[in-house]
Amino acid sequence: EVPLVESGGDLVQSGGSLRLSCVASGFSFGNYAMSWVRQAPGKGLEWVSSISHSGADTYHADSVRGRFTISRDNSKKILYLQMNGLRAEDTAVYYCAKAPGTYSYYYYFYMDVWGIGTSVTVSS
Amino acid sequence: NFMLTQPHSVSESPGETVTLSCTRTSGTIDSHYVQWYQQRPGSSPTTLIYEDNVRPSGVPDRFSASIDSSTNSASLTISGLKTEDEGDYYCQSYDGSNHVVFGGGTRVTVL
Repeated sequence: EVPLVESGGDLVQSGGSLRLSCVASGFSFGNYAMSWVRQAPGKGLEWVSSISHSGADTYHADSVRGRFTISRDNSKKILYLQMNGLRAEDTAVYYCAKAPGTYSYYYYFYMDVWGIGTSVTVSS
Repeated sequence: NFMLTQPHSVSESPGETVTLSCTRTSGTIDSHYVQWYQQRPGSSPTTLIYEDNVRPSGVPDRFSASIDSSTNSASLTISGLKTEDEGDYYCQSYDGSNHVVFGGGTRVTVL
């Protein structure tokens, strides 16, 4: 069983919107902070957003702040990334990742288990 | 803010040992934990090392990591290199201001 499965990636025009989902299984989702990390074609990893285990606290990279929103539904075990105002430079594979430990604020900014990724292409 | 600088690529023969560096450009490397991730070609990243030098269960002890305050850098050492170790390796840390910092990654080629 794959612990994290992303979906929602698509080809979208510049200025458009997408909502990515990440379905979790096999662990107590509500106990862990979660993150989104992206990888542009041929490039390295770039942190996008993180959210606390409860969803009360969210954090975004400067490059997406004001355009992207991370959220979660612990009852459904799903992590979301709402992406608005998409730009060509947002083209990437987006991974969701689970924090390595439970509850602690410090774990919000580290990754443990990674999903399989979903591809977002923004055409200009 | 700081960056984590990694060499672009390294190559070594099977069975040999390779050490990858990750240098923090400002601030001190031991301010916050460093983690290491492996990404094999066409695959998602996996966690190799967390909390500077701790291997998750299932990661072979051929992988080890350390922090060197004198060079303000972290290092990942892969001993007994295997062809399956080919891929990209990323270091990552926290900036203390609610941001995650990744290194640019090192491509490891096993000759």
